[in-house]
Amino acid sequence: DADVTQTPRNRITKTGKRIMLECSQTKGHDRMYWYRQDPGLGLQLIYYSFDVKDINKGEISDGYSVSRQAQAKFSLSLESAIPNQTALYFCATSDPRTPGDTQYFGPGTRLTVL
Amino acid sequence: AQSVTQLDSHVSVSEGTPVLLRCNYSSSYSPSLFWYVQHPNKGLQLLLKYTSAATLVKGINGFEAEFKKSETSFHLTKPSAHMSDAAEYFCVVSDRVTGGFKTIFGAGTRLFVKA
Repeated sequence: DADVTQTPRNRITKTGKRIMLECSQTKGHDRMYWYRQDPGLGLQLIYYSFDVKDINKGEISDGYSVSRQAQAKFSLSLESAIPNQTALYFCATSDPRTPGDTQYFGPGTRLTVL
Repeated sequence: AQSVTQLDSHVSVSEGTPVLLRCNYSSSYSPSLFWYVQHPNKGLQLLLKYTSAATLVKGINGFEAEFKKSETSFHLTKPSAHMSDAAEYFCVVSDRVTGGFKTIFGAGTRLFVKA
């Protein structure tokens, strides 16, 4: 079974709708991250959480919010989706005790906003 | 300031020939460096990482990378390409900052492998 899972894997929605993307992990890591991937831009950090009570904005947090419901769960919300939020979204986890704080990624959620 | 530059957006090789994917970085301290691979419609998989131990790092699937501090490079190589190596590759730098780490991804290099 995958250590980091994301639901849904694909989602098509309309402008103005509220969308939630969910991430769950069984790795026991305290740190979790949300990234978006756009062609030619690599990955950009949206939000990250170092533990259940800690939430931090990344490079591109505008238009997004997150909730860390438990150590194993970290959800990303788009309060009012817009077309330029069409992208591939990745959740990741890490354990700061490992060298370099290696991140482990989920399979991604492809979101299309019409 | 921290940055990562992947020098080629696309690389095309023939099956059985060597692969070289280039990555340069800038970092204020002693960084950790990673290579990830992303196959179509898949998540990112860790290929290898450098974290201040041996400068020549071996990863999965026959890939390796050498950390060269004087050249601020961390190029990814493989002696003989296989069709299954066709994917996108990301170079990543991670630095210690107050409160934890800051991680920056390169823009990616797409590797094409011709039969």
